[in-house]
Amino acid sequence: DVKVTQSSRYLVKRTGEKVFLECVQDMDHENMFWYRQDPGLGLRLIYFSYDVKMKEKGDIPEGYSVSREKKERFSLILESASTNQTSMYLCASRTGGENSPLHFGNGTRLTVT
Amino acid sequence: GNSVTQMEGPVTLSEEAFLTINCTYTATGYPSLFWYVQYPGEGLQLLLKATKADDKGSNKGFEATYRKETTSFHLEKGSVQVSDSAVYFCALAQGGSEKLVFGKGTKLTVNP
Repeated sequence: DVKVTQSSRYLVKRTGEKVFLECVQDMDHENMFWYRQDPGLGLRLIYFSYDVKMKEKGDIPEGYSVSREKKERFSLILESASTNQTSMYLCASRTGGENSPLHFGNGTRLTVT
Repeated sequence: GNSVTQMEGPVTLSEEAFLTINCTYTATGYPSLFWYVQYPGEGLQLLLKATKADDKGSNKGFEATYRKETTSFHLEKGSVQVSDSAVYFCALAQGGSEKLVFGKGTKLTVNP
């Protein structure tokens, strides 16, 4: 079974802090994704990466950056956390090709106070 | 651009009732279609998929048929259980893009 592991289930941070959310997958997938999930808005793509050191902006990249130094690891960085970044963050990975599904981690519930 | 529209929830049913969650899509060509389920406190899991017209995906008693003529992929289950309470997402993937496009999700609550 594919396993996508997010390092934290719950995080509480203060406004202005730099926040790192870590994600690791164990199936050698090329593609990795970061989404945020908010009530009434569904899933919104923040960033994705299709290879090591490669990244592309998703629909809502403002206030976020990402890092992919190794194939299995994809980090989401909030340079200066703000209260409007309080959300559920979901990491996912998939191999290439339109038939391959996304595999999700269990999510990180981030609260910024 | 590509988009997915699914029925708004929440949906509340009694145990053993019939379930339909509607999903329609807009896309060029022939996308692959997926249903994901999110149980409380968890990430999304793949429930079923279909990759070409008239394909039927099925899993855990759920079914969905890829209907190109109506651009739909409705999720059905003949007899729901309390354990089916979750949020259900319809999604599509298209060749040439690694991104999936998701609907907004439909929350299902099944009461005993």
